[in-house]
Parts: sequence; structure tokens; C-alpha cells
Amino acid sequence: DAKTTQPNSMESNEEEPVHLPCNHSTISGTDYIHWYRQLPSQGPEYVIHGLTSNVNNRMASLAIAEDRKSSTLILHRATLRDAAVYYCILRDSGGSNYKLTFGKGTLLTVNP
Amino acid sequence: GAVVSQHPSRVICKSGTSVKIECRSLDFQATTMFWYRQFPKKSLMLMATSNEGSKATYEQGVEKDKFLINHASLTLSTLTVTSAHPEDSSFYICSARDPGQGAIQETQYFGPGTRLLVL
Repeated sequence: DAKTTQPNSMESNEEEPVHLPCNHSTISGTDYIHWYRQLPSQGPEYVIHGLTSNVNNRMASLAIAEDRKSSTLILHRATLRDAAVYYCILRDSGGSNYKLTFGKGTLLTVNP
Repeated sequence: GAVVSQHPSRVICKSGTSVKIECRSLDFQATTMFWYRQFPKKSLMLMATSNEGSKATYEQGVEKDKFLINHASLTLSTLTVTSAHPEDSSFYICSARDPGQGAIQETQYFGPGTRLLVL
């Protein structure tokens, strides 16, 4: 699977929007962009995924660059419960194994 | 959303004993489950893919005779750590994929994890 690059850490203030970037310059045309997050001492939690178009759900928005070489996870109003490690993962939709390869992710700190 | 449970949530065992961890999909049938291991301050490392009714597929470097995986039903996969040693102490996490339609197929649902401590 193609590799992703994320900042090691980011900080935000409560109730402010957060933009978490992810670079994936070697993305292929069939790669889905997935975002998961992991709260301390818990299993990861699905956040959102997309292929080409921007996506919105109740948790977040995913903005995908036109060339698909980068994407941004947007939390519209950060809360203290959003403090977690956020993982940006590429998965080849042409593959049948559905494996996810986790990188180091971005540790998001939310200040009250 | 779909729920995946793990049991036990934490276990302490003596070196040399075997430990079984269960992973259940509670409200969907999972033909494929995945087992991960996570050391402190590190990311998740995929250990193996568990397929219902067939043998698990192990990632490179993972000993299949040490980490026994059984996916006997569409809602249950088990990971047995055989002859556990202190270096096997870790956070073990399973995930399951709902083979539904459309976007659901792409989502993996993770269990809460099992913390294993081998003394």
C-alpha cells in the first residue's frame, strides 16, 4: 500500500476547528483514503473515508485535493473527547484483503 | 455503528502458559477479522488476517505456531498466545469487516483491546 505522511502532533483549542493534514503523493487511482482515530487505551475508531470527492459525516469532513496527493481531516468544533491519535491510511480498493497498515499518526491535543 | 467486543479486557499470566483472547462481532457477520498488536507508544502492527472457515494469513515475522488463530464462526475469532513470555506482553486488538454493500465494506470495526501482561 502507498505510504502516508502526517505531522507527529498538533494542538487545538476546544470548540475551534481542527485541520489534520495527510500527504500521500504516491497514491494510486484505486486507493481509498481512510481516517481512524485511537483514544488512549482503546481500540481504533473509524472516522471517515473517501476516494475522490469530499465527504462529510456526523464526526468529521474529509477534504481531498484535486490531484489526490493530499487530504485533510476536518473536525468542525474540537472537544476534549477528540484528543486522540489520528491515522490516515490508504487502502487499495482493487485488493480483496482489506488490510489496513497503520503509520505513526498525529497525536491531537485539545486544550480547554 | 457495528460493535466488536473482546474478552478478556486484561489478563495477567505466568510465563509458559497459554492465553486465549476472543473477538466477537455483536450485530453483524464478519467473514474477515484482523488481529493487531500494539506496544506502548507505538502504532498498531497487523499480525494476521482471520478468515471464517479457512486458515489465517499471517504477516511476515509473526509465528503462526505461537499465535494460533481460529475463526470458527461468522461472529467469533480467537487468538491464542501459546507458551507466553514477558516479551509477548502487549495490547492485542481485533477488528472485523462487515461484508455489506457499498461504503460499509470499507469500514473496519475495532474491539476495545486486550492488555496482556506476562510475568
